[in-house]
Amino acid sequence: KQEVTQIPAALSVPEGENLVLNCSFTDSAIYNLQWFRQDPGKGLTSLLLIQSSQREQTSGRLNASLDKSSGRSTLYIAASQPGDSATYLCAAYGTDKLIFGTGTRLQVFP
Amino acid sequence: GAVVSQHPSRVICKSGTSVKIECRSLDFQATTMFWYRQFPKQSLMLMATSNEGSKATYEQGVEKDKFLINHASLTLSTLTVTSAHPEDSSFYICSASDGQGFYEQYFGPGTRLTVT
Repeated sequence: KQEVTQIPAALSVPEGENLVLNCSFTDSAIYNLQWFRQDPGKGLTSLLLIQSSQREQTSGRLNASLDKSSGRSTLYIAASQPGDSATYLCAAYGTDKLIFGTGTRLQVFP
Repeated sequence: GAVVSQHPSRVICKSGTSVKIECRSLDFQATTMFWYRQFPKQSLMLMATSNEGSKATYEQGVEKDKFLINHASLTLSTLTVTSAHPEDSSFYICSASDGQGFYEQYFGPGTRLTVT
């Protein structure tokens, strides 16, 4: 059974810092891995989707990497801003379903 | 493209009544739709997977007679919470895919259900 864990569970940093959010999964036989952002009381915003054949994806200040063999993905946020404050979720695509991680609650203060 | 809508965005109902939530794929045909539930400060948990024209597949621990799912067309799936109780209060999110489970899912904005 696939289990997806995110570390840290919560993070509070001053504006401008570069951040690393970690995601680990127990079953390396995944198809894709996706990172989402969720603001309080809102739905999901897709940030990056890494296909199994890829090792990383970049969008603006965000970079996500995927290492299937070690069961890990990392989301790197450069030059963090208060507007980045949200919960970040990673999710691993298996054969028939998507399994979400436990989430990292990020707060960036001015 | 790949827009998924949900209706209503918020609903309050009395204990013992039923409530229906709609999930629509607006610009693509959704072969598969998924329903998730999210309790406060927790992650999303898959409730069920539905394929158009077929019975839904429910995850372990999810009562199929309480959470009725209908996927009657390639653009619409509905979740009906029957005989709702306060413990059913949650954030319900649907997603849609134009392929099997490992195809990218596109998520709706969610429905906040409060049972009084």
